[in-house]
Amino acid sequence: GQNIDQPTEMTATEGAIVQINCTYQTSGFNGLFWYQQHAGEAPTFLSYNVLDGLEEKGRFSSFLSRSKGYSYLLLKELQMKDSASYLCAVPFEGNNRKLIWGLGTSLAVNP
Amino acid sequence: NAGVMQNPRHLVRRRGQEARLRCSPMKGHSHVYWYRQLPEEGLKFMVYLQKENIIDESGMPKERFSAEFPKEGPSILRIQQVVRGDSAAYFCASSLPSEAGGLSDTIEQFFGPGTRLTVL
Repeated sequence: GQNIDQPTEMTATEGAIVQINCTYQTSGFNGLFWYQQHAGEAPTFLSYNVLDGLEEKGRFSSFLSRSKGYSYLLLKELQMKDSASYLCAVPFEGNNRKLIWGLGTSLAVNP
Repeated sequence: NAGVMQNPRHLVRRRGQEARLRCSPMKGHSHVYWYRQLPEEGLKFMVYLQKENIIDESGMPKERFSAEFPKEGPSILRIQQVVRGDSAAYFCASSLPSEAGGLSDTIEQFFGPGTRLTVL
């Protein structure tokens, strides 16, 4: 079967670094997506990893280890506006058009 | 280029009525996806469509729910005889066609603002 696990909530301080983990079990792995969703708004795309390693994009980086079924999203120099839910998603049986989503990690950034 | 548009943003229905949710994809996007989101359950895939075709509806309840994406006009998610358990946020997303035609390409989905359905 397919399963995705993320911590439910995290808290961090403005200016700090936070790492949000995601573990998954899937058949036919074909990449992992991270999306950001502010309360009451639509999810927005952050990153897509298909190969092992770290991909950096400004203040946000995403890491993938396919052998461990593990990914993390690293947020640096946290800002108040980073308070949001972070969703991890994997394609269902390798189909990138049909995503299975984690429940999301709600991140609260405090001053 | 306007983003994905959904309307209405909020919809209130009484039990037994019909709910129609509309989604206009981004210009040039060939695929539309519908998701349901409940506070404690996260995003759940319902269906994805290409113009005039349902590609995969495995996440959609067999009864009362239907989706279409006509040649002209928006995609419609229709819920007949709504029940209280249908209350949720319904998100639509769209994506570009895959250049390679395969399932394994990076296919970023662009989400609309959602329709929040409340069934009284």
